[in-house]
Amino acid sequence: NAGVTQTPKFQVLKTGQSMTLQCAQDMNHEYMSWYRQDPGMGLRLIHYSVGAGITDQGEVPNGYNVSRSTTEDFPLRLLSAAPSQTSVYFCASSPTPAGSSYNSPLHFGNGTRLTVT
Amino acid sequence: GQQVMQIPQYQHVQEGEDFTTYCNSSTTLSNIQWYKQRPGGHPVFLIQLVKSGEVKKQKRLTFQFGEAKKNSSLHITATQTTDVGTYFCAGAYSGNTGKLIFGQGTTLQVKP
Repeated sequence: NAGVTQTPKFQVLKTGQSMTLQCAQDMNHEYMSWYRQDPGMGLRLIHYSVGAGITDQGEVPNGYNVSRSTTEDFPLRLLSAAPSQTSVYFCASSPTPAGSSYNSPLHFGNGTRLTVT
Repeated sequence: GQQVMQIPQYQHVQEGEDFTTYCNSSTTLSNIQWYKQRPGGHPVFLIQLVKSGEVKKQKRLTFQFGEAKKNSSLHITATQTTDVGTYFCAGAYSGNTGKLIFGQGTTLQVKP
């Protein structure tokens, strides 16, 4: 199993450009999420999905769109990149949603380091 | 909204000293998870606590969940250089299934 695969690993964008960060998992996990990590801010939840066809907003959703057409894929779209979106982006998946009482560890991808100039 | 506060932000210890990081939520948690991130890496799951007052141990690491399910701690006994990294707690809330809110993390440096 590859686990959670994120592409690309690095990306530089100019302000106003759009792009899609890809995330795929091969563990048949129902739950997937996107986080951004900035120095001193920890990991902040952008969007999450509890299953195919279902998405919801996290703590910092503005400027980002997501869709979940299949169980495996959960792409993150930046509609019009801004310097404030310079960050490291992590995709994560788990067998069950985070709020459940069952063991629901998040499996993280290796991250995408995005710079917006 | 839900917030998870984690302190301290940084901790420098001499190898062999103990280390503790604390997490606090403004509202009752359904469960809390702990992760470790090595420099340049991604967060890796350590443990999940679900029950009020729960205590779990993994070798030199002891995890506690408060009686009110609003706070948690991670204690490392006799730190080693391999313990270097950032430790995050992450809280899940009842009725808000799917949202896992991370604390700001505690970065541990260990001097040999």
